[in-house]
Amino acid sequence: EIVLTQSPATLSLSPGERATLSCRASQSVGTSLAWYQQKPGQAPRLLIYDASVRATGIPARFSGSGSGTDFTLTISSLEPEDFAVYYCQQRYNWPLAFGGGTKVEIK
Amino acid sequence: EVQLVESGGGLVQPGGSLRLSCAASGFTFSSHAMTWVRQAPGKGLEWVSSITSSGGSTNYADSVKGRFTISRDNSKNTLYLQMNSLRAEDTALYYCAKGTARLYFFDYWGQGTLVTVSS
Repeated sequence: EIVLTQSPATLSLSPGERATLSCRASQSVGTSLAWYQQKPGQAPRLLIYDASVRATGIPARFSGSGSGTDFTLTISSLEPEDFAVYYCQQRYNWPLAFGGGTKVEIK
Repeated sequence: EVQLVESGGGLVQPGGSLRLSCAASGFTFSSHAMTWVRQAPGKGLEWVSSITSSGGSTNYADSVKGRFTISRDNSKNTLYLQMNSLRAEDTALYYCAKGTARLYFFDYWGQGTLVTVSS
C-alpha cells in the first residue's frame, strides 16, 4: 500500500507570495499523481494530473513537478481565491490513496 | 455540462445499511470509470471504491471491503454504493467522482451525500 505524506500541514502566506507544497510517496508512483484543491463546503477540484499536466481551465500560476517519490505543487503568486486545502492522489496501484492535505492560509 | 448528483445518505444505526446513488449527466457515462470518495467531518479525503466503465471490475479500500458494494447501471446513468454493516467510523460525506481519460484521476465531483452512523 502506497502512503502519501504531504508537507507542511499548514502554509501561512500572503497574497502575491509563492507557495510550494510537497507530496512524498512511500514507493515510486512514476508520474501517476494528481493534485486537487478543496475550499470549505465545496467538492475537490482537479488541478494537475500526471504530475505536471494542468487540468482544463486551471490557471498557469499552478504548476506541478516531480516523479518517482517526490512531487511539488507550486502556486507562483497566490491569489485570494487560492487559499484552500490541497491534496495529492496516486493512481499508480491499488488501493488508490490521497495525501493528508496541506492547508494554505492567509498570513 | 457534467453533473453528478448523489442521494441516499442519512442517519443510520450501527450495523444498518444504506444505498447511495449518483445520477450522472452531461457526459457519456458508460465510457468512464467511476469512484466513491469519502470525507469524515473535518478530515481529509479517503478513497472508498472504484468501478470500471463496463462494471466488470471493482476495487475497494480495506476499510470497507466485504461490507460495501459498488455497482452501476449504464442504462440509467447511475452509480451506486451499497453499504452494509455500517460503523461509526463510516460517518462521512460521500462523493461520487468521474474518472478522466487517464482513468483514476477525478475531473468532476458531486456535492456529496452525508452518511451519519449513530445510535
